[in-house]
Amino acid sequence: QVQLVQSGAEVKKPGASVKVSCKASGYTFTAYYIHWVRQAPGQGLEWIGCINPNSGGTKYAQKFQGRVTMTRDTSIRAAYMELSRLRSDDTAVYYCTRESTTMATNWFDPWGQGTLVTVSS
Amino acid sequence: DIQMTQSPSSLSASVGDRVTITCRATQSISSYLNWYQQQPGGAPKLLVYAASSLQSGVPSRFSGSGSGTDFTLTISSLQPEDFATYYCQQGYSTPSFGPGTKVDIK
Repeated sequence: QVQLVQSGAEVKKPGASVKVSCKASGYTFTAYYIHWVRQAPGQGLEWIGCINPNSGGTKYAQKFQGRVTMTRDTSIRAAYMELSRLRSDDTAVYYCTRESTTMATNWFDPWGQGTLVTVSS
Repeated sequence: DIQMTQSPSSLSASVGDRVTITCRATQSISSYLNWYQQQPGGAPKLLVYAASSLQSGVPSRFSGSGSGTDFTLTISSLQPEDFATYYCQQGYSTPSFGPGTKVDIK
């Protein structure tokens, strides 16, 4: 079955960087964009950006421009999201999710299990 | 950027109740509207895509409708496992989510 499995929880100090991985299985990895979404404690869902695993092309939310880098390794069917210059308000669960598209719509399914990133001194 | 709003932000309901959640976009998004369910501590789960198409495996008590700027998610007969938070999401342009509607037990 289609599955996304993320790396484990991280604790980082302010100013550090974190890199979260997302390993795909059950489908052609290069055929679907991978998006990253985060959720701060008790808050809603916030889109961070996406990567085209085929070309490596990326698009980031303006809020994260300059601090986020998304990459992929097609040999192991993995996508990565690195966030730098971490602040306490970056504490959140980070999700990867696969975008499916048709001629007239798109949606996110499935989602990874989430990776808790805690930023604390 | 397209902003999404949802109403209500929370509601209390009983098992068997009919529940309707509304989602509104700040500009027309055609049918590029999806609904997700999130249980506490879990990842979001796709319920409805393209405004009204039920994802495979999702119970038929869930339904979606709308186009343009106004959309609804309806649960025809609330079940115990439906107590969760529901999010709408537009895929017309840079993705964005509504703030969520928490459904809890009355």
